[in-house]
Amino acid sequence: AQTVTQSQPEMSVQEAETVTLSCTYDTSENNYYLFWYKQPPSRQMILVIRQEAYKQQNATENRFSVNFQKAAKSFSLKISDSQLGDTAMYFCAAPGGSTLGRLYFGRGTQLTVWP
Amino acid sequence: ETGVTQTPRHLVMGMTNKKSLKCEQHLGHNAMYWYKQSAKKPLELMFVYSLEERVENNSVPSRFSPECPNSSHLFLHLHTLQPEDSALYLCASSQKGTGGSEAFFGQGTRLTVV
Repeated sequence: AQTVTQSQPEMSVQEAETVTLSCTYDTSENNYYLFWYKQPPSRQMILVIRQEAYKQQNATENRFSVNFQKAAKSFSLKISDSQLGDTAMYFCAAPGGSTLGRLYFGRGTQLTVWP
Repeated sequence: ETGVTQTPRHLVMGMTNKKSLKCEQHLGHNAMYWYKQSAKKPLELMFVYSLEERVENNSVPSRFSPECPNSSHLFLHLHTLQPEDSALYLCASSQKGTGGSEAFFGQGTRLTVV
């Protein structure tokens, strides 16, 4: 079965500090994409960052970066210089093992950034 | 603006009512999805439509009835719901392909069954 595990239900960080959210996944695919989504209180799911599995280089998007370990099937998200607006639920997503493009999501990590 | 629009944003309905949720995407995608998000539970994939054909139904009760009249529109028809069906219902679209595709989400419909 395809699974995505986020082992940290809640995390908190002080403004301007760095925080890392962890994610492990299981997939039978060889070439695939991994995603981190953010869901603020507005409930809108927003893509934060995407990683292509065949690329060894970790993806970076401004203050957001990933640590992708393909052999370990680990895909953590690092947020640098945390801002109050980063407070949200963060979901890791991995492919569902078909041509449909569907994704499986982890249970999420609620991140709170304190001033 | 993500290109996926859901209406209504909020819905309160009685257990004997019939209502419909609507989703529209303007991204030219060929796959659309309904997800259910309940408190303290992971995001649950309910239905998958590919090119207007339902290709996946994850053991969803028959009181939820999806409809996809064309590649841009997706509906979720609701009837005789239960209080435990209260949740946020999210619609998403993507371009289908192997390896997973970025899903674009609507803002969701907050459903309360009374």
